Amino acid sequence: GAVVSQHPSRVICKSGTSVKIECRSLDFQATTMFWYRQFPKQSLMLMATSNEGSKATYEQGVEKDKFLINHASLTLSTLTVTSAHPEDSSFYICSARGGPSGGFTYEQYFGPGTRLTVT
Amino acid sequence: GQNIDQPTEMTATEGAIVQINCTYQTSGFNGLFWYQQHAGEAPTFLSYNVLDGLEEKGRFSSFLSRSKGYSYLLLKELQMKDSASYLCAVMDSNYQLIWGAGTKLIIKP
Repeated sequence: GAVVSQHPSRVICKSGTSVKIECRSLDFQATTMFWYRQFPKQSLMLMATSNEGSKATYEQGVEKDKFLINHASLTLSTLTVTSAHPEDSSFYICSARGGPSGGFTYEQYFGPGTRLTVT
Repeated sequence: GQNIDQPTEMTATEGAIVQINCTYQTSGFNGLFWYQQHAGEAPTFLSYNVLDGLEEKGRFSSFLSRSKGYSYLLLKELQMKDSASYLCAVMDSNYQLIWGAGTKLIIKP
């Protein structure tokens, strides 16, 4: 099946620093990638959707200057949390949609998630 | 607006059967997904329904009625490892997934 990796799995950083999270589709071409945030005991919250080579589309209330998303290739997307603050501490999950040679499929495959703690 | 409703929490006994319901109201419909999510982990895909009826996959089955805006996930022969949250999600007319809040399933011995 389709595999999505995410790195790092856990990161602790100091307030005011920036953190980059990588999301890779390992055996398929991800034409679309999604970034979610999940707080404890809450459902997934979509932050942004990105198509390869295009600017990300952010959900209402998500600051695009704070959460920088780059989808430079069909297998890699990155999320950079800039000037992180303790309230940004959360579980960040990426998912990818695509097929063996790109194109559109309905199913989203999730990465294992990154737990960010800002002290 | 768009809305997905599912029970917050359910409890069942090991070896038994449990049905988790999901009702939805969305702008357009391109299929309904069920995902399983264990605590502290990312969701994993369980099923996808786009036509009415029952899809069976091992111990798990998923049912869809588009006219009623209704789906259920049926889990048979429950095992302790099935304790998890089960997320219902609908793909709308923009091919975006609209997520329910999830149903926490607790399995007791």
